[in-house]
Amino acid sequence: SQQGEEDPQALSIQEGENATMNCSYKTSINNLQWYRQNSGRGLVHLILIRSNEREKHSGRLRVTLDTSKKSSSLLITASRAADTASYFCAPAPGNQGGKLIFGQGTELSVKP
Amino acid sequence: DTAVSQTPKYLVTQMGNDKSIKCEQNLGHDTMYWYKQDSKKFLKIMFSYNNKELIINETVPNRFSPKSPDKAHLNLHINSLELGDSAVYFCASFGAGGFGNTIYFGEGSWLTVV
Repeated sequence: SQQGEEDPQALSIQEGENATMNCSYKTSINNLQWYRQNSGRGLVHLILIRSNEREKHSGRLRVTLDTSKKSSSLLITASRAADTASYFCAPAPGNQGGKLIFGQGTELSVKP
Repeated sequence: DTAVSQTPKYLVTQMGNDKSIKCEQNLGHDTMYWYKQDSKKFLKIMFSYNNKELIINETVPNRFSPKSPDKAHLNLHINSLELGDSAVYFCASFGAGGFGNTIYFGEGSWLTVV
């Protein structure tokens, strides 16, 4: 099993700016997933990118995956105050069933 | 309808007490988990059950005992609570969703041991 490591640990931006968060992992994966956690709430699934995909979009979210560098990035464009949350990546090895290991997350603060 | 629900949401108790947190999912998933999130936000897997059978048991003190009466329920019982048990405990289930196989989390149970 392995966990993703998010970078930076904290990020503070102004509303309207773009936010980029990075994730690194160590071994081969089947897919990689990003989750968001609002303060005082559980984690919510945002997007899943498969190992044979390089980029995926969902609304204002753009996820990239570079399996050669074992890294992924999550870009939130035109950020809003409501995007303030912690963001976690979870690399999913194909032979681990549903076991997802989470890191410490990136704490994003979007100031109005 | 709440997909994964856990109770209680907040629990304050004294050291040495025994307490339980209950979890239910209505998604029809076979796999359920308990995660612990500490003050530094690390989310650590504790247990995983598949169709009532324990499949993951991470290094957790045996004061923690999960119980799955059926595949829709996974409860967590904690004996002899210690100060270090204070954390947020998340129940989750795993299965097919709109994005593929993903994890659905409950809202968390905030445990404070005093």
